[in-house]
Order: sequence, then structure tokens, then C-alpha cells
Amino acid sequence: EVQLVQSGPEVKKPGESLKISCKGFGYSFTTDWIGWVRQMPGKGLEWMGIIFPSDSDTRYSPSFQGQVTISVDKSINTAYLQWSSLKASDTAMYYCTRRPVADYWGQGTLVTVSS
Amino acid sequence: EIVLTQSPGTLSLSPGERATLSCRASQSVSGRYLTWHQQRPGQAPRLLIYGASSRAAGIPDRFSGSGSGTDFTLTISRLEPEDFAVYYCQQYGSSPYTFGQGTKLEIK
Repeated sequence: EVQLVQSGPEVKKPGESLKISCKGFGYSFTTDWIGWVRQMPGKGLEWMGIIFPSDSDTRYSPSFQGQVTISVDKSINTAYLQWSSLKASDTAMYYCTRRPVADYWGQGTLVTVSS
Repeated sequence: EIVLTQSPGTLSLSPGERATLSCRASQSVSGRYLTWHQQRPGQAPRLLIYGASSRAAGIPDRFSGSGSGTDFTLTISRLEPEDFAVYYCQQYGSSPYTFGQGTKLEIK
């Protein structure tokens, strides 16, 4: 069974760094793209970017380019979404997805940034 | 970047009725690479339709998708109580793989 399992909720202060994770199970992790989607409180879905684990080819939405870093450790079937300096406006639920078609979704990681 | 505009923003219908949701793209979506996702309150989204008209595994046949180019439609033939949710279209033909803003389907 295909599953994407994300890391747990995070509470951080503005200016802090953060790395959340998404681990794939039940399929060939290295040969399927992994994407990230943001959902701010009460709002819609926003596509952030996508990475191909085999060669780390990464595409970003212009809205998120330079704001986050997407990476992968294919030895442990895990993708990451990383911030170097969080802002209050980064408060949101973050989902990982499989393939550009987003046929599977992780359960979401709630990130709260507050002073 | 392809902008997807969904209409209506909110659709109020009763169980048993037919729902028609629209997704219009600012430029042609290549290869009919368009999906529909359903998100129930408090849950992660799930894939309903890919390739504009193919149902994902386990999706009931009351859900159907159609369209090409810039105009796409999701139809739910007879609404069940569990279908009242928010629906998003997404194009994956050209990066960035953008989402529409969503249509909320609510019980009348």
C-alpha cells in the first residue's frame, strides 16, 4: 500500500529554521516525483514545488522560489521542506504529494509560527 | 504560469441532485493534464479525477470529468451526503502545477 507519512506538528518563533519531512512507503520512491502543497488557515491549496528523488531535479513555483528549499534523502525514502528563517505568514498546513498528478497525499504537517 | 479559475465559488444543492463544477484555464492545458481533488473538513485532499476524465482508484462512478483546452467540468451525478466538501482543480501540464481556488459544495 502506498503511503506518505509526514513529520509531526511544529511550533516555532519568527526567525527560526525548520525542516519537515515526508517518508514514502509501498512504492519505488526514487522514481516518482514528490511535491509540496501549502494550505494557509481557511484558504485553498497552493503548489510549492516538486523534486525527483533519483537525481534531485527540483522545480519551484515562482511564489516560493528562494523562500523554501526542497530536498531528498533517497537512502531513507524521505523528502524534506526547509525554511532558514520562518515568518508568521508561514503558518499553514503543508502536504506532500506523489507525482505531478498528486495521486497520494501525506496526512499534512501543521506549522505554527508565533512569537 | 497557468491560472485556474473555478466557478461557482459556492454551490448549494440537496442530496440526490446533480452538481456541475467548472474550471477554466488562462491558457490551454497540455495533454489534458488536469486533475480534480476533493477535500473534506479536517482531512487531506484526495484525488478524484486525472487526465481530465479518468477516475482514480476507488472513486465512485457518480463522479465524472470532462473537457479539454481551457474548459473543464466535474460532474457529480447524484449527490451523497459525503460529497459535500471543497473541490479543487489542478493542472500538471506545465510547471508550476497550479491549483484553482476551490468550489465549496454545501448542503442546501
